[in-house]
Amino acid sequence: EVQLLESGGGLVQPGGSLRLSCAASGFSFNSYGMNWVRQAPGKGLEWVSGISGSGGKTHYADFVKGRFTVSRDNSKNTLYLQMNSLRAEDTAVYYCAKGLWEWLSEGDYWGQGTLVTVSS
Amino acid sequence: QSALTQPASVSGSPGQSITLSCTGTSSDIGAYDYVSWYQHHPGKAPKLMIYDVSTRPSGVSNRFSGSKSGNTASLTISGLQAEDEADYYCASYISGTAMFGGGTKLTVL
Repeated sequence: EVQLLESGGGLVQPGGSLRLSCAASGFSFNSYGMNWVRQAPGKGLEWVSGISGSGGKTHYADFVKGRFTVSRDNSKNTLYLQMNSLRAEDTAVYYCAKGLWEWLSEGDYWGQGTLVTVSS
Repeated sequence: QSALTQPASVSGSPGQSITLSCTGTSSDIGAYDYVSWYQHHPGKAPKLMIYDVSTRPSGVSNRFSGSKSGNTASLTISGLQAEDEADYYCASYISGTAMFGGGTKLTVL
């Protein structure tokens, strides 16, 4: 059974940093791309970032380029999202999602999400 | 890429068929068959219902079907059931980026 468990969310001040983790199990982790998708309070889903199965290709939405970094440790079956220079508008539930294929692709399994709140 | 356009809300009665639309441009939906649909019950993990315009993942009811015409993709739900009440999002994954529509709230009357 595919399981994805996000962690690392919390309250952080504007300009601060946070690292999210997504522990994966139940599938061959290094064979699939992974995504981060967020949902701000009262808003819709918004794609944030993606990474290939090998980790060799990374992709970002324009609004996080230069601030967020996606990475993965295939030996630990874990996906990460390093978030720097956080803004109030980054407040959201962040989901990790397993891709359909090795490359950037739609998420077929999703975690329950972790809440990030950026506020002073 | 600009966000995909979805109607804010749609409603239907149990047993009816309803169609949700997702409008893009000739550079995304119109150019590629990489449209997907997600069902999201608030507080739960989103669920992939359709990918590549019309492919259903294993385990998804055949009451859900997808199609595309020009720059608009559609999700049709037949035999509407109470548990279908949720938010539905379309998405497009193209050329190293992805975007979602604003979402449609489906109400089952």
